[in-house]
Amino acid sequence: GDSVTQMEGPVTLSEEAFLTINCTYTATGYPSLFWYVQYPGEGLQLLLKATKADDKGSNKGFEATYRKETTSFHLEKGSVQVSDSAVYFCALRGGTSYGKLTFGQGTILTVHP
Amino acid sequence: DAEITQSPRHKITETGRQVTLACHQTWNHNNMFWYRQDLGHGLRLIHYSYGVQDTNKGEVSDGYSVSRSNTEDLPLTLESAASSQTSVYFCASSDRVAGGQQFFGPGTRLTVL
Repeated sequence: GDSVTQMEGPVTLSEEAFLTINCTYTATGYPSLFWYVQYPGEGLQLLLKATKADDKGSNKGFEATYRKETTSFHLEKGSVQVSDSAVYFCALRGGTSYGKLTFGQGTILTVHP
Repeated sequence: DAEITQSPRHKITETGRQVTLACHQTWNHNNMFWYRQDLGHGLRLIHYSYGVQDTNKGEVSDGYSVSRSNTEDLPLTLESAASSQTSVYFCASSDRVAGGQQFFGPGTRLTVL
């Protein structure tokens, strides 16, 4: 079945540092890939998405590229801010799983001033 | 503005009691989902619905039930609450037009004593 594996956290960075959160997946068909962010005490919000191979999703300075050859969708940001502290979830919608999302376990990011 | 709401936001109950968590969306989405979030497990799908009168089991459905009598609501019922069901519960909705993006409610924190 479909699965998503994220790098284990928590991740702690200083402000303005470079961020990478690794995400790899296993899926049948042609999945769409998503990154969601969860700020403290809130529900999940879509951060970015990519629907086909080589697509790059971007939002709020975050980027991720859909790499079919390595089955990866790593999240990157060039310069993190304290306000980026949150839990980040990688997710996929499989090509045969209409509407359903499969989530990774989440990565806690803490950014210090 | 369209939104998705959950109630109550916090609930404490005792083992063996029946509990119902409400989810209401004004997006007019056909698809609705219930997840539970536990540390180290990310989000796991409990039940989902693709439309009125349609319900389906997710990966962790034992001890839970849902019913869909209209487009807006998908209440989640714990038949006989167990301590293992202490968790944070999220409701989400989506439709095909949204390209698979799911919109999440703010969550319900349930404690079973």
